[in-house]
Amino acid sequence: DTAVSQTPKYLVTQMGNDKSIKCEQNLGHDTMYWYKQDSKKFLKIMFSYNNKELIINETVPNRFSPKSPDKAHLNLHINSLELGDSAVYFCASSQWWDTPYEQYFGPGTRLTVT
Amino acid sequence: AQSVTQLGSHVSVSEGALVLLRCNYSSSVPPYLFWYVQYPNQGLQLLLKYTSAATLVKGINGFEAEFKKSETSFHLTKPSAHMSDAAEYFCAVTFGNEKLTFGTGTRLTIIP
Repeated sequence: DTAVSQTPKYLVTQMGNDKSIKCEQNLGHDTMYWYKQDSKKFLKIMFSYNNKELIINETVPNRFSPKSPDKAHLNLHINSLELGDSAVYFCASSQWWDTPYEQYFGPGTRLTVT
Repeated sequence: AQSVTQLGSHVSVSEGALVLLRCNYSSSVPPYLFWYVQYPNQGLQLLLKYTSAATLVKGINGFEAEFKKSETSFHLTKPSAHMSDAAEYFCAVTFGNEKLTFGTGTRLTIIP
C-alpha cells in the first residue's frame, strides 16, 4: 500500500539516450511534483501538475518533458541524456488547497548517465 | 522570494546529547514550514510541520521545533540523540499551493 511509488529505483544509461521515470500515487491527491536532488543533496523543484495541468515549470532544459495521463500519475521523460542529468529524481504529491500543503515523497530514482 | 537557510551542513552530537538543527526562513507573509528527514538511499519523510496553529510543534521520533517569528527561525530539536537519528535533515518552506523550497540540508552524525 505504498503511497507514492516510482519506477525504476535505479537507472544507468549512456549519454544521448532517452529514458523515462514513472510515478504513481494512491493518496487521491490532485497535485504532483518532480524534484531533482543533485550530488550535494540540494533539492529543487522541476515541475508541478494540478489535475493534469502544468502549473510549475522551473528553468529546466527542454529535454525534460513531464506527462500526466491522469491525476494519479506523473511521468518524466528525458531526451538526449547528458552527464549533468545524473541525480536522484523525486516524485511528490499533495492536495490542492489543503493546508498545510504537505507533500508526500516517493523513494526516488537514482539516474546515472555514463 | 521565499527561502530557508540551514546553518551547519554537518552536525555531530554524542548519543544521548541534545540535537539542535538550525533553520531560518525569509518571508514577507506567514509561511508554512516543514522538516523532512532523509535516511541513506531513501526518500524524504516528514518529521513535522508548522501551520500557524501552535508555535511549538511536535513530530515523530521525539523531534520538535519551535516557530519564532521575531527570529524568523524554525529550529529542530531532540532532547536525547539516538544512533538511528543519523540522517540528512531538510528544512522547507511554502506559502501555499506551490513548490516547496528546501534548505541545503544538514547531515547529522551520532557519535557512540
